[in-house]
Amino acid sequence: EADIYQTPRYLVIGTGKKITLECSQTMGHDKMYWYQQDPGMELHLIHYSYGVNSTEKGDLSSESTVSRIRTEHFPLTLESARPSHTSQYLCASSERQGAYEQYFGPGTRLTVT
Amino acid sequence: QKEVEQNSGPLSVPEGAIASLNCTYSDRGSQSFFWYRQYSGKSPELIMFIYSNGDKEDGRFTAQLNKASQYVSLLIRDSQPSDSATYLCAVCGTGNQFYFGTGTSLTVIP
Repeated sequence: EADIYQTPRYLVIGTGKKITLECSQTMGHDKMYWYQQDPGMELHLIHYSYGVNSTEKGDLSSESTVSRIRTEHFPLTLESARPSHTSQYLCASSERQGAYEQYFGPGTRLTVT
Repeated sequence: QKEVEQNSGPLSVPEGAIASLNCTYSDRGSQSFFWYRQYSGKSPELIMFIYSNGDKEDGRFTAQLNKASQYVSLLIRDSQPSDSATYLCAVCGTGNQFYFGTGTSLTVIP
């Protein structure tokens, strides 16, 4: 079944640690996105990619980095986690053509202590 | 001015009533419009999309688009308590940039 996966679903980690949030999709989509969302607040686009070796920063300034070496895989890395990074991180994907609707993964809830 | 504007609510309707959610957008070149539902603590789920003026119906949901007024709405008929969630309007604008509204919180009262 075509889907979009995120791991881990929950992560509690100490300040200064390096972390990588994984996102994979089996939907055959070219475009992938990372959003950050605090509880009850709006979505903020932090990174996006239109295909392999293509990555762009989004609207929200972020200390994270992303890579796109394979079409189906779009990991997000924080080199040194801080309490201000505590949030929910949502990965999404969409086709290159068509109505461009985005489909979301289940999210990773990150807490930095 | 934000690209997509929604009334944050909260909007409360009794069970069985029609819930009406509204959204305006600023980019006249926008071509595709989307409604997502997001339960607390969960990720957004696509309900439906529309790209032609008029109405599009899917079960209890109807999306309405008026490009001249730059206005999109979502009607939920026979509202159920399980419809209680935040509804996000999203627009694919010029250059295929995707913009989300801040969402409208809906509560359906049993």
